[in-house]
Amino acid sequence: AQKITQTQPGMFVQEKEAVTLDCTYDTSDPSYGLFWYKQPSSGEMIFLIYQGSYDQQNATEGRYSLNFQKARKSANLVISASQLGDSAMYFCAMILDTGRRALTFGSGTRLQVQP
Amino acid sequence: DVKVTQSSRYLVKRTGEKVFLECVQDMDHENMFWYRQDPGLGLRLIYFSYDVKMKEKGDIPEGYSVSREKKERFSLILESASTNQTSMYLCASSSPRNSNQPQHFGDGTRLSIL
Repeated sequence: AQKITQTQPGMFVQEKEAVTLDCTYDTSDPSYGLFWYKQPSSGEMIFLIYQGSYDQQNATEGRYSLNFQKARKSANLVISASQLGDSAMYFCAMILDTGRRALTFGSGTRLQVQP
Repeated sequence: DVKVTQSSRYLVKRTGEKVFLECVQDMDHENMFWYRQDPGLGLRLIYFSYDVKMKEKGDIPEGYSVSREKKERFSLILESASTNQTSMYLCASSSPRNSNQPQHFGDGTRLSIL
């Protein structure tokens, strides 16, 4: 069975600085996808970025980039130039390309951006 | 834009009641999911459905059932609510065509069982 581990329950970052949120995963399947979601205090889950296991390049979406190290089974989220609005819970999740099509989530990291 | 709508943002029920949580999506997605979110545990899959009248158990199905009579609607049922089912419930939908398509979530229902 697959597993996602987020070891940072909480993180602080100064506004305008970059921050890295850690995510490691475990699966024996060779074909999978990795997602990051943001959850503000209002509760909705906002999709940020996706990385496929066969993608050669690290995914980027605006200020978000995914540092994908396949051999280490890590998929860290990097947020550049943090903004106050980035304060939220962040979840790493994985989906297998075969079998059930549901996400497996990590426990999340609460990020607080300080002015 | 995909819209996933959950019927209630906040709900308070009593122990032993039968509770219905409704979810509707407007993008003709085949896949629909119910997750439960608890602090320190992330989101855990309760049930999912690949098609109308199809359902499969997730990781924590005990005490729950689901219904999918129409493609756009996926209902979660707490047969006899208990206090340990107090939680945040999130519904999601997705297309099965490509694994790189994200699941789209509703705003969640914060359910309190007294």
